[in-house]
Amino acid sequence: GAVVSQHPSWVICKSGTSVKIECRSLDFQATTMFWYRQFPKQSLMLMATSNEGSKATYEQGVEKDKFLINHASLTLSTLTVTSAHPEDSSFYICSARSLAGGNEQFFGPGTRLTVL
Amino acid sequence: QKEVEQDPGPLSVPEGAIVSLNCTYSNSAFQYFMWYRQYSRKGPELLMYTYSSGNKEDGRFTAQVDKSSKYISLFIRDSQPSDSATYLCAMRQGGKLIFGQGTELSVKP
Repeated sequence: GAVVSQHPSWVICKSGTSVKIECRSLDFQATTMFWYRQFPKQSLMLMATSNEGSKATYEQGVEKDKFLINHASLTLSTLTVTSAHPEDSSFYICSARSLAGGNEQFFGPGTRLTVL
Repeated sequence: QKEVEQDPGPLSVPEGAIVSLNCTYSNSAFQYFMWYRQYSRKGPELLMYTYSSGNKEDGRFTAQVDKSSKYISLFIRDSQPSDSATYLCAMRQGGKLIFGQGTELSVKP
């Protein structure tokens, strides 16, 4: 149980375009989903926390107009990187916390974004 | 100063060795301490979870927390090539996880 999927697993796009990444909790309902960014050989940095039906809370230094987060249902959150630039190239990972309670976050497999 | 410090390695050991991975932290408000394993180009998976000082054992893995020194460790006994991965410590404050940089471990057959 407690499986989180991400789609796509890998995406290449041109500079200036927008990219949407989906995060789904497959076998549980998630009240809260988290979006992280990880650069090569670096740690996971929390970008934002989203709760179903409300606006996401962004960490300091993360542009909310550039990284649009929508948590439309208890099983789906999306991250849209708008007007992507090469410096946005990174590994984006989501995690989800269950509606059933507990503190554990279940992580997705990640999405590798390359902006040319 | 980062809230969580972790030696990035890389760390290379022979199969069967005991591995010691460590993190220090500066924020005494951290309540929960976790170790994650991350294989290349994959998401992290939870290995161990503790909230009090002392040791917690699970198979070949032992997590140790020393809150007075703000120091946590993960020990891997009888290490296997399949243990080769990046190990991240993480600490929870409220609803957020703060991760260490990760230590890259390679276990050679």
